[in-house]
Amino acid sequence: DTAVSQTPKYLVTQMGNDKSIKCEQNLGHDTMYWYKQDSKKFLKIMFSYNNKELIINETVPNRFSPKSPDKAHLNLHINSLELGDSAVYFCASSHFLAGEVGADTQYFGPGTRLTVL
Amino acid sequence: SQKIEQNSEALNIQEGKTATLTCNYTNYSPAYLQWYRQDPGRGPVFLLLIRENEKEKRKERLKVTFDTTLKQSLFHITASQPADSATYLCALGGDYKLSFGAGTTVTVRA
Repeated sequence: DTAVSQTPKYLVTQMGNDKSIKCEQNLGHDTMYWYKQDSKKFLKIMFSYNNKELIINETVPNRFSPKSPDKAHLNLHINSLELGDSAVYFCASSHFLAGEVGADTQYFGPGTRLTVL
Repeated sequence: SQKIEQNSEALNIQEGKTATLTCNYTNYSPAYLQWYRQDPGRGPVFLLLIRENEKEKRKERLKVTFDTTLKQSLFHITASQPADSATYLCALGGDYKLSFGAGTTVTVRA
């Protein structure tokens, strides 16, 4: 069974379109994250949710809107896609919120490679 | 400004040798530090965690040190194998998030 799954794996779209990426975890974790990994391989936090509550919004443009219908799911919707949005997007989950003393490790999904033409 | 720097983008070593990777940081006070492995086309996978009050952690052929005075962590892979070839990321924990370095790509030659 896949612990953290994302769909789709690849997404190719035109500038200006709206798209969504879905993420599900079956680990029973309380916290989920979205990361962006650019062409230079930097992995940067975008959002974190704890028990469906938004904890971190790391100065991401408001074209990006995360939605957590329940603790096991965190979806990412992107409006008006731009060329600079091309990257690999990773979903992750952990028992505890990152940064707390005793915080747990993070489990990453396989990534979604988004290409904006 | 905050920075996390990992030594040289790529490290090529002979099988059986020890690979040593460096993670230096500035303007962070991490409660802990983690190391992850990332293979091409896949998500990072957790390897080791070391807390600020710990000096050293080991797991099989992996060893991590953490020096909060030097603001540095060293990651060692002993008796390296071709299967160890991957990109290794350090991540600092604090402020309710993990902050990652850009990674070091290790290639182990048979």
